[in-house]
Amino acid sequence: GESVGLHLPTLSVQEGDNSIINCAYSNSASDYFIWYKQESGKGPQFIIDIRSNMDKRQGQRVTVLLNKTVKHLSLQIAATQPGDSAVYFCAEAYSGGGADGLTFGKGTHLIIQP
Amino acid sequence: DAGVIQSPRHEVTEMGQEVTLRCKPISGHDYLFWYRQTMMRGLELLIYFNNNVPIDDSGMPEDRFSAKMPNASFSTLKIQPSEPRDSAVYFCASRTDRLGTEAFFGQGTRLTVV
Repeated sequence: GESVGLHLPTLSVQEGDNSIINCAYSNSASDYFIWYKQESGKGPQFIIDIRSNMDKRQGQRVTVLLNKTVKHLSLQIAATQPGDSAVYFCAEAYSGGGADGLTFGKGTHLIIQP
Repeated sequence: DAGVIQSPRHEVTEMGQEVTLRCKPISGHDYLFWYRQTMMRGLELLIYFNNNVPIDDSGMPEDRFSAKMPNASFSTLKIQPSEPRDSAVYFCASRTDRLGTEAFFGQGTRLTVV
């Protein structure tokens, strides 16, 4: 029979526009957050990270915003390009020890329309 | 550095057979993680090692799964006997010992059990 898989949220934007991908994290004790990009057939690739003592961090064309009050992360990509098409995952971790692995969100599929 | 190297890239095996997945972490990285990615459950942490010692294997689904890290440059994930529901992409990742740093992922092994 047909398998039921994750229904990944999809965000479709025009090339050159800005995009915002949102993520709700689960553990209020998490103090380190990462955004990963995964292209088809490849492993997740690091984009940008942020620690809980910050609420904003900027990279090249990307900005991550952290709202600890509501446990929300967002990734802003400026002037999107075709190469930005991928699945984007947020991940959280607690750096205080005892749980060193990352916990990943379900992912958002970003599609860049020409 | 060539990054995290996994082999094989693709594996097709019959139900009941033993499967061994291999990983070479980035040199100098003290942590090694094994993740499984499926459409149903997304990216899940199976087990991780610190300085070759297994720290947390609570994500290993059942006794059919085992992982070893005989030295700092090599790890294996073994499934014996394999079942069709083990079909997934298995990722290995590594990172340094510094708290709150990103993990680098390999390209993954796509396992299909028929």
